[in-house]
Amino acid sequence: EVQLLESGGGLVQPGGSLRLSCAASGFTFSSYAMSWVRQAPGKGLEWVSGINNNGDSPSYADSVKGRFTISRDNSRNALFLQMNSLRAEDTAVYYCAKDRVDQVENNFDYWGQGTLVTVSS
Amino acid sequence: ETTLTQSPAFMSATPGDKVNISCKASQDIDDDMNWYQQKPGEAAIFIIQEATTLVPGIPPRFSGSGFGTDFTLTINNIDSEDAAYYFCLQHDTFPPTFGQGTKVEIK
Repeated sequence: EVQLLESGGGLVQPGGSLRLSCAASGFTFSSYAMSWVRQAPGKGLEWVSGINNNGDSPSYADSVKGRFTISRDNSRNALFLQMNSLRAEDTAVYYCAKDRVDQVENNFDYWGQGTLVTVSS
Repeated sequence: ETTLTQSPAFMSATPGDKVNISCKASQDIDDDMNWYQQKPGEAAIFIIQEATTLVPGIPPRFSGSGFGTDFTLTINNIDSEDAAYYFCLQHDTFPPTFGQGTKVEIK
C-alpha cells in the first residue's frame, strides 16, 4: 500500500524557515517524480514544486521561486521542502504527491494527508 | 497558466441522486484532466484519470466525461460514503492547476 506521510509543519514567524519532510513507502520511491502542493485556508490547491526521480531539474511555482528548495533522498525514501523567507501568504496545508512516471508530469496518483504550516508573528 | 473553473462550490444530495460536477479550462487541455476525492483529515484519492478513465478500485458509479475545455465528474446513485471534497487537476500545461473544489454533502 502506497503511503506518503508529511511532517515538519508548525508555527513560524515571517521571515523564518521550515523544512518539510515526506516519508514514502509501498512503492519504489526512486522510480517516480514527486511534488509538493499546498492549500491555503479557504482557497484552492496550488502546485508548489516538483522534482524528477533522480533529483534533477527541480521546478517551482513563481510564488516560491528563490525561497523554497525541493530535494529528495532516494536511499531514505524521503522528499523534502526547505522553505526560507516565509511570508504570511505561505500559510497552508502542504501535501506531497507522487507522479505516475519518473519525470515531473504533475499527473498525481497518490497524495499524503498534509502538514500545516502557519506563518504568523 | 490554465485556469480551471469548477462548479458548484457546494452541493447537497440525497442518497440515490445523480450528481454532476463541472470543471472548465481556460484553454484546450486535451484529456489531461484528473479528478480526486478528499475526506477531512485523509489523503486525496485518485478517482478519474485522463478525463474519462475510472481508476482501478473506484466504484463504477463514478464516471468522467469531456475533452478540450469542458469536463464533468458524474456520481450516479450517490451514497452516503461519497460525502467529500472533490477537485480537478489539469496536467497538460505548466504549471499544473486545480479547480477550486466542490464540497458534496449527503442529506
